Amino acid sequence: DTGVSQNPRHKITKRGQNVTFRCDPISEHNRLYWYRQTLGQGPEFLTYFQNEAQLEKSRLLSDRFSAERPKGSFSTLEIQRTEQGDSAMYLCASSPGLAISDTQYFGPGTRLTVL
Amino acid sequence: AQSVSQHNHHVILSEAASLELGCNYSYGGTVNLFWYVQYPGQHLQLLLKYFSGDPLVKGIKGFEAEFIKSKFSFNLRKPSVQWSDTAEYFCAVNVNKAAGNKLTFGGGTRVLVKP
Repeated sequence: DTGVSQNPRHKITKRGQNVTFRCDPISEHNRLYWYRQTLGQGPEFLTYFQNEAQLEKSRLLSDRFSAERPKGSFSTLEIQRTEQGDSAMYLCASSPGLAISDTQYFGPGTRLTVL
Repeated sequence: AQSVSQHNHHVILSEAASLELGCNYSYGGTVNLFWYVQYPGQHLQLLLKYFSGDPLVKGIKGFEAEFIKSKFSFNLRKPSVQWSDTAEYFCAVNVNKAAGNKLTFGGGTRVLVKP
């Protein structure tokens, strides 16, 4: 399977702990996106990368959140000092980045539960 | 900022019935429009997209959608549903501009097809 992969698929943590998620995009896709989805809602944009450059961040991305994409391949999303409100599904998507009408291909997501 | 609204949160229908899911967006400029589907236990998949040309777009699995610019709508239709169409459907839009093409999603519509 050469789709977008995310690890771990599930993460349970205690409030105040740090967590890190990984996303591996489709090979040679230049753009990588992070979204967050809470129960009963559609995904909400968090941030995106064009190769290794982080070009846009949502106001949803507080100072406790940081994302990286070293070398323009995989990406990590870290949440520091987790809060119960951070419980959500974190989705990663990638696209070729060649055209505005590009399709974004989504991974299976990482479900975070903060106790 | 753009927003997307999906009128129905839940739809229940029988096999062979026709399906129409409403989607309206708010943005005055040029947009690209998408319908994604999430089958139980699976990740988001693209059903169809519109970016230019014929406003009637055909997608996978017999789905189609019509872009009506004057109504800011992009409704999804299927003439005859099957039990396997049970899923959650998300409408999404991105703004046609050079810098970034993040998706803004609606809240989703859960469709249950009774056999």
